[in-house]
Amino acid sequence: NAGVTQTPKFQVLKTGQSMTLQCAQDMNHEYMSWYRQDPGMGLRLIHYSVGAGITDQGEVPNGYNVSRSTTEDFPLRLLSAAPSQTSVYFCASSYTDRGHEQYFGPGTRLTVT
Amino acid sequence: SQQGEEDPQALSIQEGENATMNCSYKTSINNLQWYRQNSGRGLVHLILIRSNEREKHSGRLRVTLDTSKKSSSLLITASRAADTASYFCATAVYNQGGKLIFGQGTELSVKP
Repeated sequence: NAGVTQTPKFQVLKTGQSMTLQCAQDMNHEYMSWYRQDPGMGLRLIHYSVGAGITDQGEVPNGYNVSRSTTEDFPLRLLSAAPSQTSVYFCASSYTDRGHEQYFGPGTRLTVT
Repeated sequence: SQQGEEDPQALSIQEGENATMNCSYKTSINNLQWYRQNSGRGLVHLILIRSNEREKHSGRLRVTLDTSKKSSSLLITASRAADTASYFCATAVYNQGGKLIFGQGTELSVKP
C-alpha cells in the first residue's frame, strides 16, 4: 500500500493564482482531512470529509474548497492564493470518523509571493 | 482554537535519559493521541489512549491520562538520537465528525 500520497511536494504561487493540491489514499478509509501547519501554531484543520460526497469545514476554511467524488481522492483547491496561505499542507485519512488514528501524507510546502 | 497545550515547547536531553512531555486540553474528550513528526516529514501515529483508560504502554513509550485534570503525559524511556523529533498530542471528540484537535507540539532533541 502507498498509504496517503500528496502532490506536489513543493509549489510557489503568485498572489491571485489558483491551484489544486492533490491527495489520495489506497486504504479504503472513509475519513479524510486537510491541515495546515504554521510555525508555533501546530496543525489546524481546514476541511474534512466523512465519506464520498460529504465534506465539512474545519477551523480555518476560508480561501479553500474541497470535494470528495471518490473514496480515494480528496483535493484541496486554493481559489485565489494569498501570502497568508504560505504554509505546509498535510492530508490525512482515517478508517472512520470515530476518532481513530490518522495516517498522514508527506506534505506540500506552498509559498505564495 | 487550539485544544491542546503542550509543555515544554522544547526539550534537550542526552541519549539514555528519559523524556517527558505534557499535554493539557480544555473540553471533554473520547480519546487522546500522540504523534511524532520528524523534520520535513508528515506525522506518524504513536499511541492512542481512550478516556476510560489511565495508562498505556507501547515499547519505550508510556502515556498517562488524567481526565479530572484534563491532562496527559508522554514518557519516552532510554531515549535515542533517533527519537529527535516534534511530538504532538491530539484530542478526539466522537460527535465532532472525527476531527482531531492538535496541540502546538514539543520539540525534542536527543544528543548522542
